[in-house]
Amino acid sequence: NAGVTQTPKFRVLKTGQSMTLLCAQDMNHEYMYWYRQDPGMGLRLIHYSVGEGTTAKGEVPDGYNVSRLKKQNFLLGLESAAPSQTSVYFCASSYGKQETQYFGPGTRLLVL
Amino acid sequence: AQKVTQAQTEISVVEKEDVTLDCVYETRDTTYYLFWYKQPPSGELVFLIRRNSFDEKNEISGRYSWNFQKSTSSFNFTITASQVVDSAVYFCALKTSGSRLTFGEGTQLTVNP
Repeated sequence: NAGVTQTPKFRVLKTGQSMTLLCAQDMNHEYMYWYRQDPGMGLRLIHYSVGEGTTAKGEVPDGYNVSRLKKQNFLLGLESAAPSQTSVYFCASSYGKQETQYFGPGTRLLVL
Repeated sequence: AQKVTQAQTEISVVEKEDVTLDCVYETRDTTYYLFWYKQPPSGELVFLIRRNSFDEKNEISGRYSWNFQKSTSSFNFTITASQVVDSAVYFCALKTSGSRLTFGEGTQLTVNP
């Protein structure tokens, strides 16, 4: 099993550009999450999904959109990137609400 | 509200020393889950352990051990005979039924040869 994978690993964007980060998991997990990690601020939840076709806002959802069209995939979109969105983005998945979250390798995003 | 405090921002030890990483949590829930994750220099987040609030049994896994004490709201992590490969940022995290997974700020552990 590959676990949780993320595409791409690294990306540079110009302010105003859009992009989509892809997360895939092969563990048949119901729950999926997107976090961002910034120095001194730890990991913060952006959006999450409790199942195929559902999404919900987390702690810092502004400027991001998500979709969960298939159970195994969770997409994070930036419609108009801003320098404040420079960060490392982690996807995670879990079997249930209280179960362990397993993380992907992360995507480094730099917005110029 | 939930909170996790890792007071040690950075710890530096010499190989083969034992080291303890502290984690103090706050929650009003009686049912909760505690986690430790490791983030090596390569950047990924690796799950180490999960503990629920009803199980105060300490756990040992090789050189790793965890001490869960509800009386002091602590879930400390000890590495025995540390190795250079243990160098990483270690995160403690808390999950309750009605809240998101809350992470501490992390402790940067450096093990020098």
